[in-house]
Amino acid sequence: QQQVKQSPQSLIVQKGGISIINCAYENTAFDYFPWYQQFPGKGPALLIAIRPDVSEKKEGRFTISFNKSAKQFSLHIMDSQPGDSATYFCAARIGGSEKLVFGKGTKLTVNP
Amino acid sequence: DTGVSQDPRHKITKRGQNVTFRCDPISEHNRLYWYRQTLGQGPEFLTYFQNEAQLEKSRLLSDRFSAERPKGSFSTLEIQRTEQGDSAMYLCASSLLANQPQHFGDGTRLSIL
Repeated sequence: QQQVKQSPQSLIVQKGGISIINCAYENTAFDYFPWYQQFPGKGPALLIAIRPDVSEKKEGRFTISFNKSAKQFSLHIMDSQPGDSATYFCAARIGGSEKLVFGKGTKLTVNP
Repeated sequence: DTGVSQDPRHKITKRGQNVTFRCDPISEHNRLYWYRQTLGQGPEFLTYFQNEAQLEKSRLLSDRFSAERPKGSFSTLEIQRTEQGDSAMYLCASSLLANQPQHFGDGTRLSIL
């Protein structure tokens, strides 16, 4: 119930391509869905976040698509660059709580 | 606006020893969170503070773990009688208020020999 399932585990994309990472959840009490980017040896950095009353949010090359009925959300990285190579985590927070529940991560490699 | 600062960055210790980590949140952030991240996994919530009050603790936080935030500013996380399974990255995050984005530090990597 408190899990967030993330796929794929790893992803290889060519420079300029679109990277798509998917997450699914069961608990309808989740009310906030952030995505974090983590480079080796660094802490997670907030990339973009969405609330379930919005179906899409775009910030630069990063877009979150949210499907409330399917209980799924995804991160799209347009025009992927080698500098985007990192591990990406989706997360969710239960309304009324402050703890984040994270997916297991997707290691993205963007080849030049 | 400096980010969340954690010290030390790396800690190597023998099994059975006690260790203490420090986290300095972003200035004026009244929420402070501790997470643990093992290799190949996402961060797992441990506990969080609103000012000096510890408001939620995960079942992951056994009685060997204790966290404090005595003056509502920096926080410490202590692990007593360390075990091999405690090897992980310990991450601290802070947010300005409830329901605001959580900003993470670069963590303390703990290795148990």
